[in-house]
Amino acid sequence: AQSVSQHNHHVILSEAASLELGCNYSYGGTVNLFWYVQYPGQHLQLLLKYFSGDPLVKGIKGFEAEFIKSKFSFNLRKPSVQWSDTAEYFCAVKDTGGFKTIFGAGTRLFVKA
Amino acid sequence: DAGVTQSPTHLIKTRGQQVTLRCSPKSGHDTVSWYQQALGQGPQFIFQYYEEEERQRGNFPDRFSGHQFPNYSSELNVNALLLGDSALYLCASSPGTSGRRDTQYFGPGTRLTVL
Repeated sequence: AQSVSQHNHHVILSEAASLELGCNYSYGGTVNLFWYVQYPGQHLQLLLKYFSGDPLVKGIKGFEAEFIKSKFSFNLRKPSVQWSDTAEYFCAVKDTGGFKTIFGAGTRLFVKA
Repeated sequence: DAGVTQSPTHLIKTRGQQVTLRCSPKSGHDTVSWYQQALGQGPQFIFQYYEEEERQRGNFPDRFSGHQFPNYSSELNVNALLLGDSALYLCASSPGTSGRRDTQYFGPGTRLTVL
Protein backbone atom coordinates (compact mmCIF):
# COMPACT_ATOMS: atom_id res chain seq x y z
CA ALA A 1 0.00 0.00 0.00
CA GLN A 2 1.10 3.54 -0.63
CA SER A 3 2.32 5.61 2.28
CA VAL A 4 3.94 8.99 2.82
CA SER A 5 6.44 9.71 5.55
CA GLN A 6 7.34 13.20 6.73
CA HIS A 7 10.47 13.09 8.83
CA ASN A 8 9.87 15.98 11.20
CA HIS A 9 6.64 16.62 13.05
CA HIS A 10 7.76 19.95 14.47
CA VAL A 11 10.41 22.37 13.22
CA ILE A 12 11.41 25.66 14.84
CA LEU A 13 13.54 28.13 12.88
CA SER A 14 14.60 31.73 13.18
CA GLU A 15 13.77 34.18 10.41
CA ALA A 16 16.22 34.05 7.48
CA ALA A 17 17.20 30.46 8.25
CA SER A 18 17.04 27.92 5.44
CA LEU A 19 14.31 25.29 5.44
CA GLU A 20 14.25 21.73 4.24
CA LEU A 21 11.32 19.43 5.05
CA GLY A 22 11.74 15.78 4.20
CA CYS A 23 9.14 13.64 2.45
CA ASN A 24 9.47 10.03 1.36
CA TYR A 25 6.82 7.84 -0.20
CA SER A 26 6.44 4.15 -0.80
CA TYR A 27 5.07 3.21 -4.19
CA GLY A 28 6.79 1.60 -7.13
CA GLY A 29 4.77 3.14 -9.93
CA THR A 30 4.48 6.58 -11.48
CA VAL A 31 3.28 9.26 -9.09
CA ASN A 32 2.16 12.85 -8.92
CA LEU A 33 3.59 14.73 -5.93
CA PHE A 34 2.29 17.70 -3.99
CA TRP A 35 3.08 19.96 -1.08
CA TYR A 36 0.15 21.66 0.64
CA VAL A 37 0.28 24.33 3.33
CA GLN A 38 -2.21 25.22 6.02
CA TYR A 39 -1.70 28.64 7.61
CA PRO A 40 -3.23 29.25 11.05
CA GLY A 41 -6.98 29.63 10.69
CA GLN A 42 -6.96 28.95 6.96
CA HIS A 43 -7.69 25.92 4.83
CA LEU A 44 -5.30 23.73 2.88
CA GLN A 45 -3.67 25.43 -0.09
CA LEU A 46 -1.48 24.00 -2.82
CA LEU A 47 2.14 25.11 -2.50
CA LEU A 48 3.57 23.26 -5.48
CA LYS A 49 3.12 20.12 -7.55
CA TYR A 50 5.10 17.73 -9.71
CA PHE A 51 3.54 15.80 -12.58
CA SER A 52 6.43 15.18 -14.95
CA GLY A 53 9.48 16.82 -16.53
CA ASP A 54 12.00 18.90 -14.59
CA PRO A 55 12.31 17.30 -11.14
CA LEU A 56 12.96 20.68 -9.54
CA VAL A 57 9.65 22.47 -9.20
CA LYS A 58 9.02 25.98 -7.97
CA GLY A 59 5.93 27.01 -6.09
CA ILE A 60 4.45 30.06 -4.48
CA LYS A 61 6.20 32.27 -1.92
CA GLY A 62 9.71 31.16 -2.86
CA PHE A 63 9.26 27.48 -2.08
CA GLU A 64 10.73 24.74 -4.25
CA ALA A 65 10.86 20.95 -4.13
CA GLU A 66 13.04 18.34 -5.77
CA PHE A 67 11.77 14.96 -6.89
CA ILE A 68 14.47 12.29 -6.57
CA LYS A 69 12.95 9.16 -8.07
CA SER A 70 15.74 6.83 -6.93
CA LYS A 71 15.20 7.92 -3.33
CA PHE A 72 11.39 8.10 -3.51
CA SER A 73 11.73 11.59 -2.06
CA PHE A 74 10.16 14.99 -2.64
CA ASN A 75 11.77 17.38 -0.17
CA LEU A 76 10.54 20.94 0.26
CA ARG A 77 13.04 23.79 0.50
CA LYS A 78 13.14 27.52 1.02
CA PRO A 79 16.43 29.44 1.27
CA SER A 80 15.24 32.04 3.78
CA VAL A 81 12.08 31.65 5.85
CA GLN A 82 9.90 34.45 7.14
CA TRP A 83 7.69 34.68 10.21
CA SER A 84 4.68 34.42 7.85
CA ASP A 85 5.80 30.92 6.82
CA THR A 86 4.61 29.62 10.19
CA ALA A 87 2.14 26.92 9.17
CA GLU A 88 1.61 23.19 8.83
CA TYR A 89 3.03 21.57 5.69
CA PHE A 90 1.73 18.37 4.14
CA CYS A 91 3.37 16.21 1.50
CA ALA A 92 0.98 14.19 -0.70
CA VAL A 93 1.29 11.51 -3.36
CA LYS A 94 -1.11 10.25 -6.02
CA ASP A 95 -0.70 7.20 -8.20
CA THR A 96 -1.06 8.42 -11.79
CA GLY A 97 -3.30 5.42 -12.49
CA GLY A 98 -5.83 6.33 -9.83
CA PHE A 99 -7.67 9.15 -8.11
CA LYS A 100 -6.68 8.67 -4.46
CA THR A 101 -4.27 11.15 -2.86
CA ILE A 102 -2.28 9.98 0.16
CA PHE A 103 -1.11 12.61 2.66
CA GLY A 104 1.71 12.55 5.16
CA ALA A 105 1.08 13.37 8.82
CA GLY A 106 2.30 16.94 8.36
CA THR A 107 5.13 19.08 9.72
CA ARG A 108 4.40 22.05 11.93
CA LEU A 109 6.82 24.87 11.22
CA PHE A 110 7.23 27.74 13.66
CA VAL A 111 9.38 30.67 12.57
CA LYS A 112 10.65 32.95 15.34
CA ALA A 113 10.70 36.63 14.49
CA ASP B 1 -15.26 33.31 -8.00
CA ALA B 2 -16.38 31.31 -4.98
CA GLY B 3 -14.05 28.61 -3.82
CA VAL B 4 -15.07 25.30 -2.28
CA THR B 5 -17.72 25.77 0.38
CA GLN B 6 -18.77 23.35 3.10
CA SER B 7 -21.62 23.26 5.59
CA PRO B 8 -22.05 23.20 8.45
CA THR B 9 -18.84 24.60 9.97
CA HIS B 10 -19.21 22.69 13.21
CA LEU B 11 -21.43 19.82 14.30
CA ILE B 12 -21.89 17.92 17.54
CA LYS B 13 -23.55 14.51 17.52
CA THR B 14 -23.86 11.58 19.89
CA ARG B 15 -22.77 8.00 19.30
CA GLY B 16 -25.11 6.02 17.08
CA GLN B 17 -26.53 9.06 15.31
CA GLN B 18 -26.26 9.82 11.62
CA VAL B 19 -24.78 12.94 10.04
CA THR B 20 -24.83 14.58 6.59
CA LEU B 21 -22.13 17.01 5.50
CA ARG B 22 -22.39 19.14 2.38
CA CYS B 23 -19.95 20.49 -0.17
CA SER B 24 -20.22 22.85 -3.13
CA PRO B 25 -17.28 22.65 -5.52
CA LYS B 26 -15.37 25.54 -6.97
CA SER B 27 -16.98 27.02 -10.07
CA GLY B 28 -16.06 24.98 -13.15
CA HIS B 29 -15.13 21.86 -11.17
CA ASP B 30 -17.04 18.61 -11.56
CA THR B 31 -15.07 16.23 -9.31
CA VAL B 32 -15.41 16.10 -5.54
CA SER B 33 -13.26 14.19 -3.06
CA TRP B 34 -13.85 13.78 0.67
CA TYR B 35 -11.16 13.43 3.34
CA GLN B 36 -11.13 12.81 7.08
CA GLN B 37 -8.46 14.64 9.09
CA ALA B 38 -8.10 13.46 12.67
CA LEU B 39 -6.26 15.65 15.16
CA GLY B 40 -2.52 15.65 14.54
CA GLN B 41 -2.76 13.67 11.31
CA GLY B 42 -2.88 14.35 7.61
CA PRO B 43 -6.08 14.08 5.58
CA GLN B 44 -7.18 10.53 4.75
CA PHE B 45 -9.01 9.88 1.47
CA ILE B 46 -12.57 8.65 1.93
CA PHE B 47 -13.85 8.63 -1.67
CA GLN B 48 -14.13 10.61 -4.90
CA TYR B 49 -17.23 11.38 -6.94
CA TYR B 50 -17.34 12.15 -10.65
CA GLU B 51 -20.38 12.19 -12.90
CA GLU B 52 -22.54 11.32 -9.87
CA GLU B 53 -20.67 8.04 -9.35
CA GLU B 54 -18.15 7.00 -6.69
CA ARG B 55 -15.05 6.22 -8.71
CA GLN B 56 -12.53 5.41 -6.01
CA ARG B 57 -12.83 4.66 -2.32
CA GLY B 58 -10.31 4.69 0.50
CA ASN B 59 -10.14 2.35 3.46
CA PHE B 60 -13.36 3.42 5.19
CA PRO B 61 -16.30 1.24 6.26
CA ASP B 62 -19.66 1.21 4.52
CA ARG B 63 -21.00 3.50 7.25
CA PHE B 64 -19.44 6.24 5.15
CA SER B 65 -21.43 6.93 2.01
CA GLY B 66 -21.78 9.79 -0.39
CA HIS B 67 -23.71 11.30 -3.18
CA GLN B 68 -23.06 13.76 -5.98
CA PHE B 69 -25.84 15.83 -7.49
CA PRO B 70 -26.26 16.98 -11.12
CA ASN B 71 -24.97 20.44 -10.14
CA TYR B 72 -21.73 18.68 -8.91
CA SER B 73 -22.35 19.43 -5.23
CA SER B 74 -21.86 16.51 -2.90
CA GLU B 75 -22.91 15.05 0.43
CA LEU B 76 -21.02 12.83 2.83
CA ASN B 77 -23.19 10.65 5.10
CA VAL B 78 -21.92 8.82 8.13
CA ASN B 79 -24.19 6.34 9.91
CA ALA B 80 -23.93 4.82 13.39
CA LEU B 81 -21.42 7.42 14.55
CA LEU B 82 -18.52 6.31 16.73
CA LEU B 83 -16.35 8.41 19.01
CA GLY B 84 -13.49 7.79 16.57
CA ASP B 85 -15.39 9.56 13.80
CA SER B 86 -14.64 12.89 15.51
CA ALA B 87 -12.49 14.76 13.00
CA LEU B 88 -12.31 17.57 10.47
CA TYR B 89 -14.00 16.49 7.24
CA LEU B 90 -12.56 18.13 4.16
CA CYS B 91 -14.02 18.42 0.72
CA ALA B 92 -11.80 19.02 -2.30
CA SER B 93 -12.87 19.78 -5.84
CA SER B 94 -11.00 19.53 -9.13
CA PRO B 95 -11.67 19.99 -12.82
CA GLY B 96 -12.26 16.45 -14.00
CA THR B 97 -11.45 17.33 -17.57
CA SER B 98 -7.74 17.32 -16.65
CA GLY B 99 -7.95 13.61 -16.05
CA ARG B 100 -5.55 12.19 -13.53
CA ARG B 101 -3.51 15.42 -13.43
CA ASP B 102 -6.22 17.24 -11.51
CA THR B 103 -5.17 19.78 -8.93
CA GLN B 104 -7.45 19.74 -5.90
CA TYR B 105 -8.81 22.82 -4.14
CA PHE B 106 -9.86 22.32 -0.54
CA GLY B 107 -12.72 23.77 1.43
CA PRO B 108 -12.51 24.97 5.04
CA GLY B 109 -13.88 21.71 6.42
CA THR B 110 -16.62 20.64 8.82
CA ARG B 111 -15.53 19.93 12.39
CA LEU B 112 -17.53 16.92 13.65
CA THR B 113 -17.50 16.07 17.34
CA VAL B 114 -19.08 12.80 18.47
CA LEU B 115 -19.94 12.58 22.18
